[in-house]
Amino acid sequence: DGGITQSPKYLFRKEGQNVTLSCEQNLNHDAMYWYRQDPGQGLRLIYYSQIVNDFQKGDIAEGYSVSREKKESFPLTVTSAQKNPTAFYLCASSIDQGTASNQPQHFGDGTRLSIL
Amino acid sequence: QKEVEQNSGPLSVPEGAIASLNCTYSDRGSQSFFWYRQYSGKSPELIMSIYSNGDKEDGRFTAQLNKASQYVSLLIRDSQPSDSATYLCAVNMANQAGTALIFGKGTTLSVSS
Repeated sequence: DGGITQSPKYLFRKEGQNVTLSCEQNLNHDAMYWYRQDPGQGLRLIYYSQIVNDFQKGDIAEGYSVSREKKESFPLTVTSAQKNPTAFYLCASSIDQGTASNQPQHFGDGTRLSIL
Repeated sequence: QKEVEQNSGPLSVPEGAIASLNCTYSDRGSQSFFWYRQYSGKSPELIMSIYSNGDKEDGRFTAQLNKASQYVSLLIRDSQPSDSATYLCAVNMANQAGTALIFGKGTTLSVSS
């Protein structure tokens, strides 16, 4: 089945530790995104990527890093610089963002990150 | 500041009633509008997209867009308890080539049986 797979579903981070959230899609989508959702809040954009080997910062990129070495994969690293990492992290993809941006985004099941 | 505004709710309706969810956005040049449904603890699921002024119907759902008023709404007819969820409005803002959607904070809908 085509879709977006995020792993792990739950993740715990120790103080000073970097952790990496995985996002893989087999939809052949060009664009991929990472969002953060806090309780009672909307989605806030962390990073996005339109093509391989290129990505752009979103509204809340500080304390996070990404890579896009393959079209199918867009991992997110939550670094120790992110002081409040507890949240629900959502990965999404769309066919092509381009300038028209008419394509909807489809989401993975998310990863819940907590601090130990 | 590009913004998408929604009433947080909760919006409570009885089973079988029409639920009306509203969203306003700040950028007059916005082109693409989406409604997502998010059940508690789950990820958002796309239920409607709309790009032109007017109404778009899909089953029990109708999206309405008025670009002059910068307003988009979602009507759910014959509401069911299974429709109880948070509904997120998402807008792609103009002049932000390649950027992701701007999401509202969502409206929580509760349908009582």
